Amino acid sequence: GDSVTQMEGPVTLSEEAFLTINCTYTATGYPSLFWYVQYPGEGLQLLLKATKADDKGSNKGFEATYRKETTSFHLEKGSVQVSDSAVYFCALRLTDSWGKLQFGAGTQVVVTP
Amino acid sequence: EAGVAQSPRYKIIEKRQSVAFWCNPISGHATLYWYQQILGQGPKLLIQFQNNGVVDDSQLPKDRFSAERLKGVDSTLKIQPAKLEDSAVYLCASSGQGSEAFFGQGTRLTVV
Repeated sequence: GDSVTQMEGPVTLSEEAFLTINCTYTATGYPSLFWYVQYPGEGLQLLLKATKADDKGSNKGFEATYRKETTSFHLEKGSVQVSDSAVYFCALRLTDSWGKLQFGAGTQVVVTP
Repeated sequence: EAGVAQSPRYKIIEKRQSVAFWCNPISGHATLYWYQQILGQGPKLLIQFQNNGVVDDSQLPKDRFSAERLKGVDSTLKIQPAKLEDSAVYLCASSGQGSEAFFGQGTRLTVV
């Protein structure tokens, strides 16, 4: 079945460090890929997305590229801030799924001053 | 634009009791989703409505969970009777034509 696997957390970084969160997927067809972020006490927010192979999604300094050959959608940020501390979820959506999202388990990121 | 509203934010009940959650989606959004997020896991879809019709309830434990979306707007999710393993955050989301899903803040349920 369709699934998303992302690296386990917590990931602890110092401010201004480089962040990478790995995400790989298994899916039939050609899914759209998403990164959602959940700040403490808040709901899920869409961070970025990519709808086809080689697309790059970007937002708030975060980037992820849809790699069909490696079935991956790794999230990166060049210089993290304390305010980036949150849980990050990778997700896929199949084109015939009525919009249903399949989520990974989430990766907690902790950025220290 | 107002976001997805959910209530209550928190609920503590004893096992075998019943509980209901309410969701008001973004105005004009035809699609409404209920997800269950168990601690340490990603959200899992329980049920999805298109207007007031169900399009996917394959992961809904129908012996104890029920949901409705009357008039294609607000929705309620009910659990009766609750079990300890139902402790989770219940997320409601909505989406419009061609738009991404927007999530509410969720209801944290603790079953003791």
